[in-house]
Amino acid sequence: AQSVTQLGSHVSVSEGALVLLRCNYSSSVPPYLFWYVQYPNQGLQLLLKYTTGATLVKGINGFEAEFKKSETSFHLTKPSAHMSDAAEYFCAVSYSGGSNYKLTFGKGTLLTVNP
Amino acid sequence: SQTIHQWPATLVQPVGSPLSLECTVEGTSNPNLYWYRQAAGRGLQLLFYSVGIGQISSEVPQNLSASRPQDRQFILSSKKLLLSDSGFYLCAWSPGTGGRGYTFGSGTRLTVV
Repeated sequence: AQSVTQLGSHVSVSEGALVLLRCNYSSSVPPYLFWYVQYPNQGLQLLLKYTTGATLVKGINGFEAEFKKSETSFHLTKPSAHMSDAAEYFCAVSYSGGSNYKLTFGKGTLLTVNP
Repeated sequence: SQTIHQWPATLVQPVGSPLSLECTVEGTSNPNLYWYRQAAGRGLQLLFYSVGIGQISSEVPQNLSASRPQDRQFILSSKKLLLSDSGFYLCAWSPGTGGRGYTFGSGTRLTVV
């Protein structure tokens, strides 16, 4: 069975500071990993994903994440936070098995950016 | 390109009234379809998913049901709403194979009063 743990339900940073949102997963087979962002009263938008290949993945809005198999982690980072980054972020895991694969989501991390 | 439409955006319904939320996908065929609910502070809860017309899997027993009358149409229903049905409902689709993740609709904010 697969699962996702997001450490910290709420992260607060200052504008211009490093953003680090943590995600650890468990999967019995090689995973597909995703980060989504949700702004208030909107649907979830895909930020980036890891399927195969390069373990450092770059996404939209300056975010990136690194797949570390040995640590079973897929932490999301951004060098310099912007006010517009304030949102909720969800990590998710799946795997390439069957034709009806399902994503397992973490509980989300609310990012607050202080001026 | 593929698009997903979900409506209405907001809905206020009295307790005991029926519910019908609709989701349609364009630009693809035979998508996997999903209904999620977000209640305040409770993350994303998968309610139903479907891999084909008339094929519905329920993840959580509750006051809701889902139907897929056409390939790219997914409907969430209730005969009698409860206060606890309030929340933010999200529809999503994915291709039949892994690696692309989900594409979400814009959501419906349901308030049961």
